[in-house]
Amino acid sequence: NAGVTQTPKFRVLKTGQSMTLLCAQDMNHEYMYWYRQDPGMGLRLIHYSVGEGTTAKGEVPDGYNVSRLKKQNFLLGLESAAPSQTSVYFCASSYHGTGSGYTFGSGTRLTVV
Amino acid sequence: AQSVTQLGSHVSVSEGALVLLRCNYSSSVPPYLFWYVQYPNQGLQLLLKYTSAATLVKGINGFEAEFKKSETSFHLTKPSAHMSDAAEYFCAVSGGMVQGAQKLVFGQGTRLTINP
Repeated sequence: NAGVTQTPKFRVLKTGQSMTLLCAQDMNHEYMYWYRQDPGMGLRLIHYSVGEGTTAKGEVPDGYNVSRLKKQNFLLGLESAAPSQTSVYFCASSYHGTGSGYTFGSGTRLTVV
Repeated sequence: AQSVTQLGSHVSVSEGALVLLRCNYSSSVPPYLFWYVQYPNQGLQLLLKYTSAATLVKGINGFEAEFKKSETSFHLTKPSAHMSDAAEYFCAVSGGMVQGAQKLVFGQGTRLTINP
């Protein structure tokens, strides 16, 4: 099992550019999440999805959009990147809420210059 | 709403010594509590979880944590530290199965260093 796969692993963007981060899971999980990790701040929830075709805002959604057109994929988009979006982005999935814990991807390190 | 406070952003212990990482939580509903570990340049791995069964929870790699409702704490311990335990540890809380409260809220993390 691959678990949760994130692509790309690294990316450098110029301010104002756009990009999409892809998260794919092969565990048939209903719930998927996007977090960002910044030094000293732990992980903060950007957006999440409780099922195919549904998305919801998390703690820090501004500047990001998401889509979940297929159950196994959860895309995170940056329409106009800003230096404040320099971070490590983690995708996670769970079968049903948090009782079983999350399975995390290995992360995408994004730098906006 | 839920929140987590991890006391100490950096903990350093000697190899073979007791490891104690502190976590206090706040939750308006019966919580689920988790500890995750992150090794350098990797994602987070689940160490252990509390989901309202036994208050003393055993996890992987010899770690355990005790849920203390009266103290709103969920501290992580390991009797004897090993060099391979060096990593960053995150405590997290959720609102259990309460609708709309199933998202994990993470603490800021504690970096554990093991001295030879």
